[in-house]
Amino acid sequence: GAVVSQHPSWVICKSGTSVKIECRSLDFQATTMFWYRQFPKQSLMLMATSNEGSKATYEQGVEKDKFLINHASLTLSTLTVTSAHPEDSSFYICSAPELAGIDTQYFGPGTRLTVL
Amino acid sequence: GQQVMQIPQYQHVQEGEDFTTYCNSSTTLSNIQWYKQRPGGHPVFLIQLVKSGEVKKQKRLTFQFGEAKKNSSLHITATQTTDVGTYFCAEVLQGAQKLVFGQGTRLTINP
Repeated sequence: GAVVSQHPSWVICKSGTSVKIECRSLDFQATTMFWYRQFPKQSLMLMATSNEGSKATYEQGVEKDKFLINHASLTLSTLTVTSAHPEDSSFYICSAPELAGIDTQYFGPGTRLTVL
Repeated sequence: GQQVMQIPQYQHVQEGEDFTTYCNSSTTLSNIQWYKQRPGGHPVFLIQLVKSGEVKKQKRLTFQFGEAKKNSSLHITATQTTDVGTYFCAEVLQGAQKLVFGQGTRLTINP
């Protein structure tokens, strides 16, 4: 199956700093990627849809100025958590559908963010 | 917004026992997907159900989609320790490819 990578796999940062997380589709192109957040022992919550070449679409309640998304190429989307606070500590996961119009999605391994 | 309710939240079984998790929606689902997430891992796609009343099997796993397309279930026969993890159902929002996940059922197994 298709492979999606994320970098870094984990990061610890100080409160007030910004953290960038990369999501790459390794063997396929993805015009759309999705970013999810998962708190411990909870479900995945969709944060935003990353669209190649255009602005991301954010879900209700997600601050677009805090969670900056850039989809600069057909294989890379980045999520930047700006001015991170302890409550932003979570597991961030991206996903990408392999082909346009196909519903199967492939998830990255996730990035565990801890804000001190 | 749309929401898929999943039960139970937790299930602990003895190895060899069966396990079932259920998803219910108040609205008709276009389709439903099932994922497995191992502890510390990421969701891995298991299957997609599209047709009313559809039943699909993968070895010891049986997936069903209700006749009204408002509920779905995942049944594991004779659980093994490798089945440990959290099982999520997810609705695919038509046309948007977005997934709305159920709350998940965390399965633990006593060997």
